[in-house]
Parts: sequence; C-alpha cells; structure tokens
Amino acid sequence: GEDVEQSLFLSVREGDSSVINCTYTDSSSTYLYWYKQEPGAGLQLLTYIFSNMDMKQDQRLTVLLNKKDKHLSLRIADTQTGDSAIYFCAERSNQAGTALIFGKGTTLSVSS
Amino acid sequence: DAGVIQSPRHEVTEMGQEVTLRCKPISGHDYLFWYRQTMMRGLELLIYFNNNVPIDDSGMPEDRFSAKMPNASFSTLKIQPSEPRDSAVYFCASQGGTGNTIYFGEGSWLTVV
Repeated sequence: GEDVEQSLFLSVREGDSSVINCTYTDSSSTYLYWYKQEPGAGLQLLTYIFSNMDMKQDQRLTVLLNKKDKHLSLRIADTQTGDSAIYFCAERSNQAGTALIFGKGTTLSVSS
Repeated sequence: DAGVIQSPRHEVTEMGQEVTLRCKPISGHDYLFWYRQTMMRGLELLIYFNNNVPIDDSGMPEDRFSAKMPNASFSTLKIQPSEPRDSAVYFCASQGGTGNTIYFGEGSWLTVV
C-alpha cells in the first residue's frame, strides 16, 4: 500500500537552513504536500508541488522533488525559532476523491 | 471564510461513555475527511465523504466508531463506548473539488480516562 516516510527529528541553529526529507512509495502520486503543525494547533498547509515539477520556491521555502527516487524535501532558509513545529509530508494520487496519506511528521527544533 | 470548525476543542470523558465530535466544513466544499492523530501512529485517515456520502471508511478502527454527514454543512464522529486507547486528536478536514487543497480544522483533543 501507500507509505510515506520521514525522519522524526531535526535540530538546527537559528539562521541556519533546515532540510526535511520525505520518501513515498505510490508512483501514481501527483500531488505532494508539506503541512506544519505548531503545538496544540491544527495542520497548516505550507506548500504543495505537482509531480511534473522538480522545484517550487515560496519565500524562505524551497521544495525539491525527485520523482525517480520518490524523494521530496523541504528546505527552510534562515530558520527562525518560530519555525519550530512538526512538519508533515503528504501525498495524494490522481484519483478523484482520494485522501492525503501522511508521514509521521518531523519535529523541527530551532535553538537560538 | 471561517475555515473548518470543530467542536469540542477539548474533551475528557470516562471510559464507557459516548463521545460525539462535530465538524462544520468550509462552505461549498464537497469532500469531508476525519483523521486521527496519535504519537504512535501519526495521522490516520478514518473516513471520508463526498457530497455527504461515505466513500471510504476502511480506516474506522472498529464498530465502536461511526460517522455521519446528514447535510453538506455538518458531520459527526461518534465513539460508543469510548476506551482509553481512543485518546487522540481528531481532525476534520474539507476540500472543494478534486486536486484542490485540503483544509484542516483545529482538532478535537479527546482524553478517555
């Protein structure tokens, strides 16, 4: 079945870049998402990428997609303490009505 | 737009009691999803609806769980009887059409003691 894997923890210093990695198994995935969850809050969509794209940049966020290796990454430039949160990778296949399949989330800890 | 609205935000109940979680999707969205989040299992899809009709309930853990969507603006997830292992955060999410973004509510934090 479909599966999404992420590393569980990442610790960086304020001002450094953070790179959160994700791998998925469903080759029919056409949409890949990054969500952010702050403590005690719901999931906030950060960005998404279509599978026919290699890269998408949005301010401090850069998403890279290697479709051949089924590898997705999220790079956060100039990481701030406010970026500390859990980051979820999710994939969705191009079938009408299918839901998102999430990874278990990567906890990003930013120290000053 | 008020976003996806869930209630209650927090609930503590005793084992064996019935729990009802409620969700109001974003107006005009025709897909509604219920997810459960735990430390051990992460985010799991429980069930989703399209135009008020359940499409996939294969993630519903057992018969103690049931979900309904009587109209386009309201859905419930019921647990009867509740057990301590049901303690989790339950998220409702909605989406308009296919290929669009799924928006999440703030979650209902359930503790069963």
